[in-house]
Amino acid sequence: GQNIDQPTEMTATEGAIVQINCTYQTSGFNGLFWYQQHAGEAPTFLSYNVLDGLEEKGRFSSFLSRSKGYSYLLLKELQMKDSASYLCVVNQAGTALIFGKGTTLSVSS
Amino acid sequence: GAVVSQHPSRVICKSGTSVKIECRSLDFQATTMFWYRQFPKKSLMLMATSNEGSKATYEQGVEKDKFLINHASLTLSTLTVTSAHPEDSSFYICSARDRRTGDNIGYTFGSGTRLTVV
Repeated sequence: GQNIDQPTEMTATEGAIVQINCTYQTSGFNGLFWYQQHAGEAPTFLSYNVLDGLEEKGRFSSFLSRSKGYSYLLLKELQMKDSASYLCVVNQAGTALIFGKGTTLSVSS
Repeated sequence: GAVVSQHPSRVICKSGTSVKIECRSLDFQATTMFWYRQFPKKSLMLMATSNEGSKATYEQGVEKDKFLINHASLTLSTLTVTSAHPEDSSFYICSARDRRTGDNIGYTFGSGTRLTVV
């Protein structure tokens, strides 16, 4: 079957670093996305990993290990506006995206 | 970058009526359109996938006669919720992709439609 696991909620303070983990078991794999979604809005693209390793983009970095079925999103220098839901999404070959349930991150001052 | 325009952003309708949601790709050709539904505090759930000029493929449990999808052109897809009921109240989001491009480029989301059936 298909399964994407990520923590339901996380809290952190401004300026801190937070790592959101994601494990997946899917019948196909073409890559893994991380999306950010604020309440009532559509998801916005953060990163896409196809190969193993770390992809860094500004304050956000994403890591992938295909052999372990594992990814994480690393957020540095947290800001209040980073409070949102973070979705781990698997791109299955030939089909639509498979969404995890999302991790709601709350950043406090 | 690629943009998908989704309308309306919010709609309130009476039970039993039909509502049409449009998604237009503004600067690329949406060969494939995905329609998702999201209930409060839940993840996006795929409802159906449509390729331009073909009939939509519906996910298990989604009634194709209730959720009519039309994808007649490369830039427009519509979802019509027919005979709406309060339990259809949800956030509907489309996602368009040009399958001729690489996977790391596609999947542009519309801004979503908040449907409330009263």
